[in-house]
Amino acid sequence: DTEVTQTPKHLVMGMTNKKSLKCEQHMGHRAMYWYKQKAKKPPELMFVYSYEKLSINESVPSRFSPECPNSSLLNLHLHALQPEDSALYLCASSPKPGRLANYGYTFGSGTRLTVV
Amino acid sequence: AQTVTQSQPEMSVQEAETVTLSCTYDTSESDYYLFWYKQPPSRQMILVIRQEAYKQQNATENRFSVNFQKAAKSFSLKISDSQLGDAAMYFCAYRRGETSGSRLTFGEGTQLTVNP
Repeated sequence: DTEVTQTPKHLVMGMTNKKSLKCEQHMGHRAMYWYKQKAKKPPELMFVYSYEKLSINESVPSRFSPECPNSSLLNLHLHALQPEDSALYLCASSPKPGRLANYGYTFGSGTRLTVV
Repeated sequence: AQTVTQSQPEMSVQEAETVTLSCTYDTSESDYYLFWYKQPPSRQMILVIRQEAYKQQNATENRFSVNFQKAAKSFSLKISDSQLGDAAMYFCAYRRGETSGSRLTFGEGTQLTVNP
């Protein structure tokens, strides 16, 4: 299995809703990431988990809450979002340091989120 | 902080011709990796090619090759025999070496159009 699977692919939510994005990989990667991407812009890093521990939080508002229940699964819990949070949310994973580290990230196909 | 610069927001090429996309970066690190990612309209981020900083030999992957000039901190992508399926946004990216969970820093992207 060489994929990162993200669900759902599309999500429309109201500003008072609570929803979650899910990301799964079975490549044995020990680092997982959430990125936010606006149209025609590069992805922006939100969170990094390394060995299931949060290692980087790029000053993301608390209405975004990440969770890493195990080494294969990464969630992003959403609550009280704003319309400007509408974007493509990409999950990625990368191998632990070592021989395969230079293989870069593997990205999921993303969740297109619309906040209404 | 590391920065990645892509000076060409848009490029176009005729089918079967060759095109070169430019990328420069700034870092004080000696151990790092460079990548080119492709993002077609489907929004899936696809790894095109990678280069380890410690390797002097330029990476090649079929029709894709890079010109890595370490002293000049330049990392350009050459696409030979361009095909319609090459049309996409191309991102140059940088990552520090051998650290689990190190961030991937992207350039602003180059939108490539392939004309039939």
